[in-house]
Amino acid sequence: RKEVEQDPGPFNVPEGATVAFNCTYSNSASQSFFWYRQDCRKEPKLLMSVYSSGNEDGRFTAQLNRASQYISLLIRDSKLSDSATYLCVVYRYNFNKFYFGSGTKLNVKP
Amino acid sequence: GAVVSQHPSWVICKSGTSVKIECRSLDFQATTMFWYRQFPKQSLMLMATSNEGSKATYEQGVEKDKFLINHASLTLSTLTVTSAHPEDSSFYICSARDPGDRYSPLHFGNGTRLTVT
Repeated sequence: RKEVEQDPGPFNVPEGATVAFNCTYSNSASQSFFWYRQDCRKEPKLLMSVYSSGNEDGRFTAQLNRASQYISLLIRDSKLSDSATYLCVVYRYNFNKFYFGSGTKLNVKP
Repeated sequence: GAVVSQHPSWVICKSGTSVKIECRSLDFQATTMFWYRQFPKQSLMLMATSNEGSKATYEQGVEKDKFLINHASLTLSTLTVTSAHPEDSSFYICSARDPGDRYSPLHFGNGTRLTVT
């Protein structure tokens, strides 16, 4: 079983739509959680860290459910510029290792 | 915020030559750096973890004699692709976390696009 699993998509949504991605992780000892976005032929860029209480940054909201071992990302009022691949990343401190999901592709259409 | 600088951004080389890629942490000391490779339309694949002052840890299936990693200082790690072949053409990305921040994310360099002709 993979450490981190994501639906690869693609998610095709119109501008202005709300879209949600989920990600599950297999090891309950995982300690830090992040969402990155990666544009085609570019390096991943940190979108937001995910905190236990949930956190929001503008149109983006991240939630963490430790009991069920999943992380979510909600994007409201989608923009064309949100089109990218969204990577769920989990860090295990004791192993000093980051585990990546395979990414979820989002296409926002006019 | 923490910045990781990677150089060069792109390189074209002839088959059989070696290519060195540098990765620097600019405002923190990185005891560990992570090297990834990504082929088109595929996921990031961790190649190796470089440790300052000691040997790198390679992932299964990655040839350590082909991908030489040196982490000689707390701010610099290098990856050398030796005797490059066209199948080594890929996007190589280094990254590091700030060990002074327990909740540090992974900071990525801009990546190096290698084309071997």
